Amino acid sequence: EAQVTQNPRYLITVTGKKLTVTCSQNMNHEYMSWYRQDPGLGLRQIYYSMNVEVTDKGDVPEGYKVSRKEKRNFPLILESPSPNQTSLYFCASSLWLAGTDTQYFGPGTRLTVL
Amino acid sequence: ILNVEQSPQSLHVQEGDSTNFTCSFPSSNFYALHWYRWETAKSPEALFVMTLNGDEKKKGRISATLNTKEGYSYLYIKGSQPEDSATYLCAPRSGANNLFFGTGTRLTVIP
Repeated sequence: EAQVTQNPRYLITVTGKKLTVTCSQNMNHEYMSWYRQDPGLGLRQIYYSMNVEVTDKGDVPEGYKVSRKEKRNFPLILESPSPNQTSLYFCASSLWLAGTDTQYFGPGTRLTVL
Repeated sequence: ILNVEQSPQSLHVQEGDSTNFTCSFPSSNFYALHWYRWETAKSPEALFVMTLNGDEKKKGRISATLNTKEGYSYLYIKGSQPEDSATYLCAPRSGANNLFFGTGTRLTVIP
């Protein structure tokens, strides 16, 4: 089954404790992206990757890191989480981002930073 | 960053009613417009991608139109059903590599 998976689905952590949210897709997609969703705001892009070893900042990259060592995986790293990073996170992928490619979203990770 | 506006923010309709909502976006540098449907506790799912001025797309009871010259798209739902209850997101793409999502229209269909 074609899908985007994220782990963990739920996470409660404390300020400053490094964490990684994994994202994996099995559709051989080139483009992958991380979004966060907060009440009253649209999905905001954190980072995206056009291909292996190619990553770029989205609209809200501060406090996050990503890597793209393999095509299928695109982990999101919070080196020192803070309470303002409490949010719902989505990973998404598409074949390319030629404007017409549908993005497929993962199930979401709800993160709480205390 | 694109200024994307969706209206209304939320609406309640009775089962069987038809409804529509709007997505407004900058008309300059337009490339494509995506519509997504997002049910509570699930992830967004693609409905339509439109690129040409005057495009109309249809999937069952849901349809969408696109006006790139004036920068808006309408989403229509005919004969709303409770299972249509969701947040509907639009996301235009300009010349940049990214989609910019609106805050969505939250639809509740009352049985």
